Amino acid sequence: NAGVTQTPKFRVLKTGQSMTLLCAQDMNHEYMYWYRQDPGMGLRLIHYSVGEGTTAKGEVPDGYNVSRLKKQNFLLGLESAAPSQTSVYFCASSYPAGEGDQPQHFGDGTRLSIL
Amino acid sequence: RKEVEQDPGPFNVPEGATVAFNCTYSNSASQSFFWYRQDCRKEPKLLMSVYSSGNEDGRFTAQLNRASQYISLLIRDSKLSDSATYLCVVNMNRDDKIIFGKGTRLHILP
Repeated sequence: NAGVTQTPKFRVLKTGQSMTLLCAQDMNHEYMYWYRQDPGMGLRLIHYSVGEGTTAKGEVPDGYNVSRLKKQNFLLGLESAAPSQTSVYFCASSYPAGEGDQPQHFGDGTRLSIL
Repeated sequence: RKEVEQDPGPFNVPEGATVAFNCTYSNSASQSFFWYRQDCRKEPKLLMSVYSSGNEDGRFTAQLNRASQYISLLIRDSKLSDSATYLCVVNMNRDDKIIFGKGTRLHILP
């Protein structure tokens, strides 16, 4: 049971380049999330999805797009990377938040540097 | 008032000591609570859920005080391996809103 898998683990981009981060979960979770974590800022929610085919904005959505074409996958896209998007990105998944005690399970992160 | 607040620390505690963290939350409608642990450059991992009656898992005890809107984590007989950042998480259980605190850093000193 792999849990939540993120690819790639590391990436260096030049300003203006585009890329997609992939998150895959094998726990049949309805909900999936993308966070970024920066020093002193804690985890900040970028976008999330409550089910296949649905997405919603989180706290810091600008500059990112997401897609949830399959229940097990949640993609995060950067169309034109900027140095301010240098960060560690975490994906998480969970059963529906409205069903009580449902913690999130995290992938091991993607370290992204934009030069 | 921030939705979830934690003392950022760092807490520097000698090995074997007992240490406690609090986390306050602003929305009285919050329904589920968790403590996560995050090691340096690693992903957050669930440490324990927090139940209304309080709960214990080995050396770790979590408590919820709804009247004062805070949760706490107590670590007894601290080990060097307990050094990490501890994140408080509050789940509204509606509007799909889950709020992470910024974390409390704990350093256990030999």
